Amino acid sequence: AQKVTQAQTEISVVEKEDVTLDCVYETRDTTYYLFWYKQPPSGELVFLIRRNSFDEQNEISGRYSWNFQKSTSSFNFTITASQVVDSAVYFCALSEPQAGNMLTFGGGTRLMVKP
Amino acid sequence: EAQVTQNPRYLITVTGKKLTVTCSQNMNHEYMSWYRQDPGLGLRQIYYSMNVEVTDKGDVPEGYKVSRKEKRNFPLILESPSPNQTSLYFCASSPPRTDTQYFGPGTRLTVL
Repeated sequence: AQKVTQAQTEISVVEKEDVTLDCVYETRDTTYYLFWYKQPPSGELVFLIRRNSFDEQNEISGRYSWNFQKSTSSFNFTITASQVVDSAVYFCALSEPQAGNMLTFGGGTRLMVKP
Repeated sequence: EAQVTQNPRYLITVTGKKLTVTCSQNMNHEYMSWYRQDPGLGLRQIYYSMNVEVTDKGDVPEGYKVSRKEKRNFPLILESPSPNQTSLYFCASSPPRTDTQYFGPGTRLTVL
């Protein structure tokens, strides 16, 4: 069965600090997809990134970067020079085509960025 | 604007009173799904639909029904709501040949 673990339930940083959110997953499938979503205080779920299991290239998008390592089953998310607007709950998720593309979410990490 | 919409956004109801939460997407997506979000339990899938007239159970389908008569709509039906169905509900849709799910704004349901 698939499982996603976000060990950090809450992180607090001061603005401009870098912060890494950890995500570890379990799956038996060789084909799977990993995602990060952001849930700001307003409550909606905002898609950030999708990675398939065959693409281990790291990705950078502005202040955001993602490190995918199959060897450790991890898909970590780093925010560089954090800003107050980054304050949100961040979810890592996994989907498997064999499971009807159901997203299995981690428990989420609440990030608080203080000015 | 491409989007997933849900109505109502907030609903307070009483035990046993049937209700429907509507979900609509204007992106011609084939795949649609419903999730519920609960403190300490995270987000869990209730039902999903691969296409019109094709629906299947997710992780927590008990107490819910869905239908997919048209591609754009995927209503969630609670025939006899109970307090343990108090939750934040999200509808999502996904383009064909990909599995990135885009979520609606959420519906906060309280069952008294």
